[in-house]
Amino acid sequence: DVKVTQSSRYLVKRTGEKVFLECVQDMDHENMFWYRQDPGLGLRLIYFSYDVKMKEKGDIPEGYSVSREKKERFSLILESASTNQTSMYLCASPGGAEAFFGQGTRLTVV
Amino acid sequence: EDQVTQSPEALRLQEGESSSLNCSYTVSGLRGLFWYRQDPGKGPEFLFTLYSAGEEKEKERLKATLTKKESFLHITAPKPEDSATYLCAVQAWSGGSNYKLTFGKGTLLTVNP
Repeated sequence: DVKVTQSSRYLVKRTGEKVFLECVQDMDHENMFWYRQDPGLGLRLIYFSYDVKMKEKGDIPEGYSVSREKKERFSLILESASTNQTSMYLCASPGGAEAFFGQGTRLTVV
Repeated sequence: EDQVTQSPEALRLQEGESSSLNCSYTVSGLRGLFWYRQDPGKGPEFLFTLYSAGEEKEKERLKATLTKKESFLHITAPKPEDSATYLCAVQAWSGGSNYKLTFGKGTLLTVNP
């Protein structure tokens, strides 16, 4: 019954590394989103995509990029990881009456 | 700019003590309002979607309602396992066939036995 899968539950990366977070959905949805969640700040939208190869900046895109080469896969890229990107990253895929999330990736940048 | 405000930030209840959580919103072109439950360290779990004022949906001890400016999540006779953070989100038109989800900061519900 899995709908949205994120590639890792926990990641530890070093400052300056290039980091890839992968998200796959099996619902054939057009829309996919990447959020980060921090205590006291809630979920903040980083990027979203409404079609293959289409992307749109969210509220906090700085330091991130995305890739959507296939409809089912949406990747978040941290070009040069920094300690202030330590966070919980959540992928979501809304479609019709429902919007499902992945289990989240807890990223720690040291 | 779309805005979602949830209140209270935290709510502590005794088992069996019913209450309500509030989600007020300002958005242009509302498509839907979503409620989620989130347990610590996990992704949000979908609960309900509401589309129009007057609509209500129920699931076990939870009932969600919607007006033109706010939504309520009513919890009837809660149990300790209902303890979680409850998130509200609005889905608004952002052009083309795109729908952007904007979240509130959530209400942390604790139900004591």
